[in-house]
Amino acid sequence: GAGVSQSPSNKVTEKGKDVELRCDPISGHTALYWYRQSLGQGLEFLIYFQGNSAPDKSGLPSDRFSAERTGGSVSTLTIQRTQQEDSAVYLCASTQGRSSYNEQFFGPGTRLTVL
Amino acid sequence: AQSVTQLGSHVSVSEGALVLLRCNYSSSVPPYLFWYVQYPNQGLQLLLKYTTGATLVKGINGFEAEFKKSETSFHLTKPSAHMSDAAEYFCAVSGAGNQFYFGTGTSLTVIP
Repeated sequence: GAGVSQSPSNKVTEKGKDVELRCDPISGHTALYWYRQSLGQGLEFLIYFQGNSAPDKSGLPSDRFSAERTGGSVSTLTIQRTQQEDSAVYLCASTQGRSSYNEQFFGPGTRLTVL
Repeated sequence: AQSVTQLGSHVSVSEGALVLLRCNYSSSVPPYLFWYVQYPNQGLQLLLKYTTGATLVKGINGFEAEFKKSETSFHLTKPSAHMSDAAEYFCAVSGAGNQFYFGTGTSLTVIP
């Protein structure tokens, strides 16, 4: 079946503009994660959705970052008033079930460049 | 609290040589441990994972890792490196709750 997809694959924007990044998880996967991958920094957890529960937003770096997940499927990560330090690859992953030992399936990522 | 440390951001090995990528973790609860691989311009994919049971875990492409609780380590090995193994490797830990903590990654170069 189809894997996790993300769009756009690349996004170049000007400082101060808002951007929206999209993630389509694997059908039936109840858990969805967003990460940020910066050069030499590994993966930084941003936010976690599980079913209809309130999301875990503890990793969001500032109030400029927000995310929603509609209908328990597609998720959108929004960054308002982008800054140059927001430049990174944003990765989405989905997992079947609730357990923290389940494999995460990653999308190819969106490379964001803020000029 | 949980965290992961990967020693060596860059590792180079000759083709056919042993691959050893180091991972140490910190966890206040019994950990679940993972190794993911990221090939150039691709997403991360699971190599192997440890949850419970046998401490020596075998994964795809001939990789294996051993969970050593006393050393809080989960090092990744492969007896003989192939050119196709060149990639970025990430160690991750999870436990209580559903957050995953990733290391900063190790870039593996295989020299022909």
